[in-house]
Amino acid sequence: SQTIHQWPATLVQPVGSPLSLECTVEGTSNPNLYWYRQAAGRGLQLLFYSVGIGQISSEVPQNLSASRPQDRQFILSSKKLLLSDSGFYLCAGLAGGPDEQFFGPGTRLTVL
Amino acid sequence: GENVEQHPSTLSVQEGDSAVIKCTYSDSASNYFPWYKQELGKRPQLIIDIRSNVGEKKDQRIAVTLNKTAKHFSLHITETQPEDSAVYFCAASKRSGYALNFGKGTSLLVTP
Repeated sequence: SQTIHQWPATLVQPVGSPLSLECTVEGTSNPNLYWYRQAAGRGLQLLFYSVGIGQISSEVPQNLSASRPQDRQFILSSKKLLLSDSGFYLCAGLAGGPDEQFFGPGTRLTVL
Repeated sequence: GENVEQHPSTLSVQEGDSAVIKCTYSDSASNYFPWYKQELGKRPQLIIDIRSNVGEKKDQRIAVTLNKTAKHFSLHITETQPEDSAVYFCAASKRSGYALNFGKGTSLLVTP
């Protein structure tokens, strides 16, 4: 079965600093992968999705970027963090059936 | 794009009562409708889903109904228990492997 790993689990960064969050997938090949952000007490906002190596689609204009350097690796980055980038970042992939998305454990980012 | 509305935002019921959460969607091409449960600080977990060729699906105390004509779907939890307390999210997507569009969530509290 698929397993999604994310690290770090928590991160505190100053405004203006860079960011790199990593997501890796086990147990499948050529998965669709997704980055979501959840602000405190809010819903899940889709940030990026990828159907393969080097293929990134962005859903909203923002201060973040994503890359997929390997089939099972999905990275979320920023050159300069803003306060509004704080949130719970979740990586997701397809698991089991053709539509079911399975989430990683998430990274809680606080920008001060 | 797809717009998913979810109501209510908060719901409080007594243990043993039923809980109903409703969602509407805007894109008639959407054909996959999952429901996720998220406990505090944890990742969303898929609890039940339904596809557009089915009107109702049940799994023990949880059921989902879909009305494609009206473009709405609902989650029904019967005989609620305190451990059902969590935030529940509905979502919709319009083709296999496509990204999910989430509702803003319903915070369910089941009081003993």
